[in-house]
Amino acid sequence: AQKITQTQPGMFVQEKEAVTLDCTYDTSDQSYGLFWYKQPSSGEMIFLIYQGSYDEQNATEGRYSLNFQKARKSANLVISASQLGDSAMYFCAMRERQRGANNLFFGTGTRLTVIP
Amino acid sequence: GAVVSQHPSWVICKSGTSVKIECRSLDFQATTMFWYRQFPKQSLMLMATSNEGSKATYEQGVEKDKFLINHASLTLSTLTVTSAHPEDSSFYICSARVGSGGLYNEQFFGPGTRLTVL
Repeated sequence: AQKITQTQPGMFVQEKEAVTLDCTYDTSDQSYGLFWYKQPSSGEMIFLIYQGSYDEQNATEGRYSLNFQKARKSANLVISASQLGDSAMYFCAMRERQRGANNLFFGTGTRLTVIP
Repeated sequence: GAVVSQHPSWVICKSGTSVKIECRSLDFQATTMFWYRQFPKQSLMLMATSNEGSKATYEQGVEKDKFLINHASLTLSTLTVTSAHPEDSSFYICSARVGSGGLYNEQFFGPGTRLTVL
């Protein structure tokens, strides 16, 4: 079974609008961490935001926020006030404690295009 | 954040030759380094995990003799694709991590190496 599922291969958003990128995960571990990365066309993976499974509040980092719904096993990324530079691939990833908190498992990604 | 470099950024080689890709953590010592492979428009697939001075741990389905990983120091890991074939053409990304065992130990990614085998 897929550990990380991103069901939106591509998304479009108008500049200055907000957009939500979906991510659901599958784990039997009680302790895990969820990450979002941005990959522009240059290829480099850029860390955006982190949410721990025991964190009670949703993580926020500037224009990025993570809508964490533990019971539903979802960790959607919300980007507010989209900018043209936000156009990129976005990957959701998870790290599990029971696997030694080592490997990051990535979803298939969502390509976001910001329209001027 | 910390910087991870990869060299070369792209390489084109003939089928049957070997290619070495270097990954360096420039301003920190990496406890663990990871090698990922990414096909066009697909996700990152972990190939192997290596700790300095010990043998790499390969993921299921990754040929150890094909993809040789050497983690000689806390700042350098190399991936050698031996006897490369066109199906090995891909984007290879290394990643370095400080510390171990923590869910939030940050993992820094290199810019990737695009390998094209003719």
